[in-house]
Amino acid sequence: EAGVAQSPRYKIIEKRQSVAFWCNPISGHATLYWYQQILGQGPKLLIQFQNNGVVDDSQLPKDRFSAERLKGVDSTLKIQPAKLEDSAVYLCASSLATVNEQYFGPGTRLTVT
Amino acid sequence: AQSVAQPEDQVNVAEGNPLTVKCTYSVSGNPYLFWYVQYPNRGLQFLLKYITGDNLVKGSYGFEAEFNKSQTSFHLKKPSALVSDSALYFCAVREGTGGFKTIFGAGTRLFVKA
Repeated sequence: EAGVAQSPRYKIIEKRQSVAFWCNPISGHATLYWYQQILGQGPKLLIQFQNNGVVDDSQLPKDRFSAERLKGVDSTLKIQPAKLEDSAVYLCASSLATVNEQYFGPGTRLTVT
Repeated sequence: AQSVAQPEDQVNVAEGNPLTVKCTYSVSGNPYLFWYVQYPNRGLQFLLKYITGDNLVKGSYGFEAEFNKSQTSFHLKKPSALVSDSALYFCAVREGTGGFKTIFGAGTRLFVKA
């Protein structure tokens, strides 16, 4: 069974630029999550999708971050414009349902200079 | 609001000795509890979970965890540590009813010395 795929693995941008991350969850997983993990901290949920609907985006900085889940499968997370404090690893995860364990992708390490 | 605490930034143990990584939580209602592990240069991996039933749950790589409702704890344990267990461990909690969000602790780094 293929795992959660993410791209790119690394990205370096200057502040005020925009960036997009892509995630392909495990086939059949209805729930998809985007997390931000700052060095030395635990993952912080940014947004959670159930199929193609948003069930939680309370911690998503909506003035600069946006996300969508196309047709309930792939998802993209965008930051525009980026700030220095957005430097982090962005993790995508999926699960069969919200009550199940999550399977994580390798993450995208973003550096904003 | 739900929360989870891992009181130790780091745990050091000798190989062959038992290990415990602590986790306490706060939720309204019954919790769903999880442990994940992050090895160097690898993604987060699921270890085990408690949803309901037996308070002692067994997971991958010989790990187990004990759910204690009165102490609101879910400590991770292993009877005999291996050097290869050295990694970053995260406890996570989700509200059992009405909530969707999973909250992760800050993580505990486990060092197992040969």
